[in-house]
Amino acid sequence: GAVVSQHPSWVICKSGTSVKIECRSLDFQATTMFWYRQFPKQSLMLMATSNEGSKATYEQGVEKDKFLINHASLTLSTLTVTSAHPEDSSFYICSARDGRASQPQHFGDGTRLSIL
Amino acid sequence: GQNIDQPTEMTATEGAIVQINCTYQTSGFNGLFWYQQHAGEAPTFLSYNVLDGLEEKGRFSSFLSRSKGYSYLLLKELQMKDSASYLCAVLDSNYQLIWGAGPKLIIKP
Repeated sequence: GAVVSQHPSWVICKSGTSVKIECRSLDFQATTMFWYRQFPKQSLMLMATSNEGSKATYEQGVEKDKFLINHASLTLSTLTVTSAHPEDSSFYICSARDGRASQPQHFGDGTRLSIL
Repeated sequence: GQNIDQPTEMTATEGAIVQINCTYQTSGFNGLFWYQQHAGEAPTFLSYNVLDGLEEKGRFSSFLSRSKGYSYLLLKELQMKDSASYLCAVLDSNYQLIWGAGPKLIIKP
């Protein structure tokens, strides 16, 4: 149980392109979803937290107009990287949690984004 | 500030036992998670401790001392597939997860 699906797993695109990443909880209702980015050999960096039906809460330093998050249902959240540039290249990972904060977050497989 | 300290890299031998430490300084405490992350993959959940003591789950055990701000993950009968990073994450008073960065565990035959 507690499977989270993330697509696509790998994206290579030109600078200026917008990229949408989907995160789905397949067998549970995700009241809260999280979006992280991770650079090589570094810790997970939380970008934003989203609760179904409400606006995402962004971490300090994360541009909400650049990283658009939509959490329209209890099973789907999307992250759109708008007008992506090479410095946005990273490993983006979503996670989902069912209920209380003491419940573990379950992660998608991640999306490796490379902007040329 | 909030801080999680873990070693950067560890090496162990197949079949042996290894202990991976985590010390934390956070604003409040509502539990500690251990996750395993293989290179290029997302983390997978291993354990959750909220009370002091040892939790055993197969080859993996996790220990917590809240008074010392300390936890460890114990891996027994190491297998090559255990080569991965082991992330410690603490749930603070606002129920935000504070993540550690590692270590990368290398298993040698």
